[in-house]
Amino acid sequence: GNSVTQMEGPVTLSEEAFLTINCTYTATGYPSLFWYVQYPGEGLQLLLKATKADDKGSNKGFEATYRKETTSFHLEKGSVQVSDSAVYFCAGTGGGADGLTFGKGTHLIIQP
Amino acid sequence: DTAVSQTPKYLVTQMGNDKSIKCEQNLGHDTMYWYKQDSKKFLKIMFSYNNKELIINETVPNRFSPKSPDKAHLNLHINSLELGDSAVYFCASSLSTTGTGADTQYFGPGTRLTVL
Repeated sequence: GNSVTQMEGPVTLSEEAFLTINCTYTATGYPSLFWYVQYPGEGLQLLLKATKADDKGSNKGFEATYRKETTSFHLEKGSVQVSDSAVYFCAGTGGGADGLTFGKGTHLIIQP
Repeated sequence: DTAVSQTPKYLVTQMGNDKSIKCEQNLGHDTMYWYKQDSKKFLKIMFSYNNKELIINETVPNRFSPKSPDKAHLNLHINSLELGDSAVYFCASSLSTTGTGADTQYFGPGTRLTVL
């Protein structure tokens, strides 16, 4: 079946540091890939997505590029802020009414 | 103007009780989903419905019964609640089951269920 593997945290960084959270997806085809963010006590918000190879999703300074060769979708941000502290989920789906397959989530802590 | 709403936000109940969680979306979407997030934050699909028809039913105990009265609503009824049912339940919706690529799923705020 499908699976998503992402680095597990917690990841602790200082403000203005560079962020990378790795994510890879295993599937029979080429799924669409997503990053969702969950702030404390809240639901999931879509951060960015890519639906085909070489697509780059970007939002709020975060970026991720869909790498076909490795089906990877690593999340990056050049300079993190305290307000970026949250749990980040990588997810993929084959489309249609398929559910999202989520990674285990990465808890990001940004210290001032 | 909440896109996907759930009620209640918190639900505390005793083992053996029956409870329901309601979900409504005002986005005009065709497909709705229920996910379960456990205490370690792991998220897993439970059900998906398209135009009121069940599409996905993962290995969920039959004590869980989704009901979709119309395209905008997908409620989750749980019978004979057990301790292990304690989790956060998220409803989500997406636009279409057809077309290339996958449509984005929009999530509700979640319902935290605690079974005592």
